[in-house]
Amino acid sequence: DTAVSQTPKYLVTQMGNDKSIKCEQNLGHDTMYWYKQDSKKFLKIMFSYNNKELIINETVPNRFSPKSPDKAHLNLHINSLELGDSAVYFCASSQDRQPQHFGDGTRLSIL
Amino acid sequence: GENVEQHPSTLSVQEGDSAVIKCTYSDSASNYFPWYKQELGKRPQLIIDIRSNVGEKKDQRIAVTLNKTAKHFSLHITETQPEDSAVYFCAALNSGYSTLTFGKGTMLLVSP
Repeated sequence: DTAVSQTPKYLVTQMGNDKSIKCEQNLGHDTMYWYKQDSKKFLKIMFSYNNKELIINETVPNRFSPKSPDKAHLNLHINSLELGDSAVYFCASSQDRQPQHFGDGTRLSIL
Repeated sequence: GENVEQHPSTLSVQEGDSAVIKCTYSDSASNYFPWYKQELGKRPQLIIDIRSNVGEKKDQRIAVTLNKTAKHFSLHITETQPEDSAVYFCAALNSGYSTLTFGKGTMLLVSP
């Protein structure tokens, strides 16, 4: 049973396209996150979301938008993809400020 | 906001040696400090964490120390093994939120 699962694992697409990455957690956690890990391995928080509030890292372009249909899912939509968006995107979840559990990542490559 | 500095960026040791990775944080209200290990092509995995009401915590070959006054915390790995080779991240939990701020990572290479 994968605790935090995200799909797809790999995503290769053209510049200018719109794409989505899905994330689901079966841990019953109340908070979910999206992180971007660039080629230098730096992990940067993009969004934090629970059923009460969305916290956005102000450096994230508004082409990125999280959407949460329910407590167990937090999807990431990206519009007008750019070369600089190439990275590994990790979803994570936590409960009551406990340790965050990460998904296996989605490697996004922009051609 | 919180700022976490991590050193060194790379660390090479011989098998059996000890390895120490150090982090400093800026937000004195941060109260939770996890360490993650990320093997090549895999997800970050929690290996140990410490809360601000504790000065030291050990789990077999891994230990973490926290100095709240100086706002720094360290990861200590004893008797290193080749399978300890990975990138290690420290993090601090921002006060008032559940968002972690990560250090830039330390690539640890353990040579047999």
